[in-house]
Amino acid sequence: GDSVTQMEGPVTLSEEACLTINCTYTATGYPSLFWYVQYPGEGLQLLLKATKADDKGSNKGFEATYRKETTSFHLEKGSVQVSDSAVYFCALLPVAGSARQLTFGSGTQLTVLP
Amino acid sequence: KAGVTQTPRYLIKTRGQQVTLSCSPISGHRSVSWYQQTPGQGLQFLFEYFSETQRNKGNFPGRFSGRQFSNSRSEMNVSTLELGDSALYLCASSFPRDKPTDTQYFGPGTRLTVL
Repeated sequence: GDSVTQMEGPVTLSEEACLTINCTYTATGYPSLFWYVQYPGEGLQLLLKATKADDKGSNKGFEATYRKETTSFHLEKGSVQVSDSAVYFCALLPVAGSARQLTFGSGTQLTVLP
Repeated sequence: KAGVTQTPRYLIKTRGQQVTLSCSPISGHRSVSWYQQTPGQGLQFLFEYFSETQRNKGNFPGRFSGRQFSNSRSEMNVSTLELGDSALYLCASSFPRDKPTDTQYFGPGTRLTVL
């Protein structure tokens, strides 16, 4: 079945450091790929998405590129802020059929220190 | 535009009881999905409803059930609660074009604690 593997956390960075959170997936065909962020005590917020190979999703300084050849969708940011501290989830949505079943990675806790 | 709302935000129940959680999707969204989030199992898909019909179901026991009303609001019910049902239950709704790539927008969740 489909699966998503995320880099183990937690990750602690200083403000203005570069961030990379690795995400790889296993799925048939070309799934859509997502990054969601969860702040303490809240639900999930969509951060960015990509729906086909070589697409780049971007939002709030975060970027991720859909790499079919390496089945990856790594999240990157050039300069993190304290406000970026949260848990980040990589997820995929299969293309086949009408299923809305998101498969999530285990999440990566990010803490940014001032 | 209002986001996905879930009620109640917090619930405390005891083993053996049953519970009903409610989700109101974004206006115009017709697809509603439910997920369970626990520290041990992470985020797991429960079921999805579209136009009052359950379209997809995850690997959960029959104690977990749901329904959707004509206004797209959805409820999920858990009967005979167990300690392991303690979790954050998240609801998500999707844009009405109903394409597989449509984004799911999540509510804040209902935190259920079973004692």
